[in-house]
Amino acid sequence: DGGITQSPKYLFRKEGQNVTLSCEQNLNHDAMYWYRQDPGQGLRLIYYSQIVNDFQKGDIAEGYSVSREKKESFPLTVTSAQKNPTAFYLCASSDWGGGYTFGSGTRLTVV
Amino acid sequence: EDQVTQSPEALRLQEGESSSLNCSYTVSGLRGLFWYRQDPGKGPEFLFTLYSAGEEKEKERLKATLTKKESFLHITAPKPEDSATYLCAVQRGNTGFQKLVFGTGTRLLVSP
Repeated sequence: DGGITQSPKYLFRKEGQNVTLSCEQNLNHDAMYWYRQDPGQGLRLIYYSQIVNDFQKGDIAEGYSVSREKKESFPLTVTSAQKNPTAFYLCASSDWGGGYTFGSGTRLTVV
Repeated sequence: EDQVTQSPEALRLQEGESSSLNCSYTVSGLRGLFWYRQDPGKGPEFLFTLYSAGEEKEKERLKATLTKKESFLHITAPKPEDSATYLCAVQRGNTGFQKLVFGTGTRLLVSP
């Protein structure tokens, strides 16, 4: 079945540590996205990529980094510069101009 | 700036009690309005896309409608399994990449 796989489902980060969230899709979609979801707030766009080897900052990119070396993969690194990283992270993909297909999410907690 | 406002924030219904969720939006030219369902701890699941005022789409007990300023998600005779958060999002109609802008959602609880 086609879809988006996010891993891990739960992730714990120590202060000052970088962590990487995985996102893989087999839908052959060109565009991929990372959103952050916090209680009481709408989904906020972190980064997006329309094609391989190209990506753009979203609304809240500070403290995050991404890469897009393969069409299927769009990993997100939460760096130590992100001061409030505890949140639910969602990866999505789409065809050009189409609706998004989301993964099942990664819950990141700072310990 | 594009904005999406959903109301109510939370809604509690008895099984079989029909109701509607509202999504008001302001956007510079609408390409599409999207409805998603999100269960706790999971990613949003696509329900509908609406493209122009007057359009309606149905799926089981759900019906989505669109006007120039708002969209409604009508739930007819809901069941407990319809309990979830329902998200609305809009996309601009400009050329090039246009992100989805999401509302904060309506949490629906249907009691037996």
